[in-house]
Amino acid sequence: QVQLVESGGGVVHPGRSLRLSCVASGFTFNSYPMHWVRQAPGKGLEWVTLISYDGSKKSFADSVKGRFTISRDNSKNTLFLQMNSLRIEDTAVYYCARGVIPYSAAGSGTDHWGQGTLVTVSS
Amino acid sequence: DIQMTQSPSSLSASVGDRVTITCRASQSLSSYLNWYQQKLEKAPKLLIHATSSLQSGFPSRFSGSGSGTHFTLTISSLHPEDFATYYCQQGYSTPWTFGQGTKVEI
Repeated sequence: QVQLVESGGGVVHPGRSLRLSCVASGFTFNSYPMHWVRQAPGKGLEWVTLISYDGSKKSFADSVKGRFTISRDNSKNTLFLQMNSLRIEDTAVYYCARGVIPYSAAGSGTDHWGQGTLVTVSS
Repeated sequence: DIQMTQSPSSLSASVGDRVTITCRASQSLSSYLNWYQQKLEKAPKLLIHATSSLQSGFPSRFSGSGSGTHFTLTISSLHPEDFATYYCQQGYSTPWTFGQGTKVEI
């Protein structure tokens, strides 16, 4: 079955960097667009970024543009989120999620999610 | 960016009640509107894709409808396991945006 397992979260000081990973299994990873979505404690869902199935298209929320980058290694079935210049307001659980529609730029929705990894930005 | 407005933000209902949640978009989405269910801040689950396509694993008491800028999620008869937070999300254009969520409580 489809599984997405995030890792790399932790506590970090403002201004520092962190790299999240998401290992996928149970489906043809290189056929699907992938997303990162976050949820601050007690708050709603916020879409962060996406990468198309082949890595050719990327898009970012305004709140992270210029600070976060997304990438994928299709040979290792792994999605990455590089987070630089972290701010206190980046504190959240970060989920990776699979786009619904294969071979598409964005997938139109997300049908499988990981369990999330908590990133805490604090001085 | 497309703004998504969900209403109500919370509601209290009883088992057996019919529940309707509304989502309005700031511009037309065609049918690119999804609904997610989230329990106790576990990972959300895709409930309805593309306005009305009920995902496997969810019972037929859940339904979605709408088009353009106005969409609804209906639970025809509330079951105890349906108490959760529901989010709409537009997949029409990036940046994707979610509604603020509707918490369905007993």
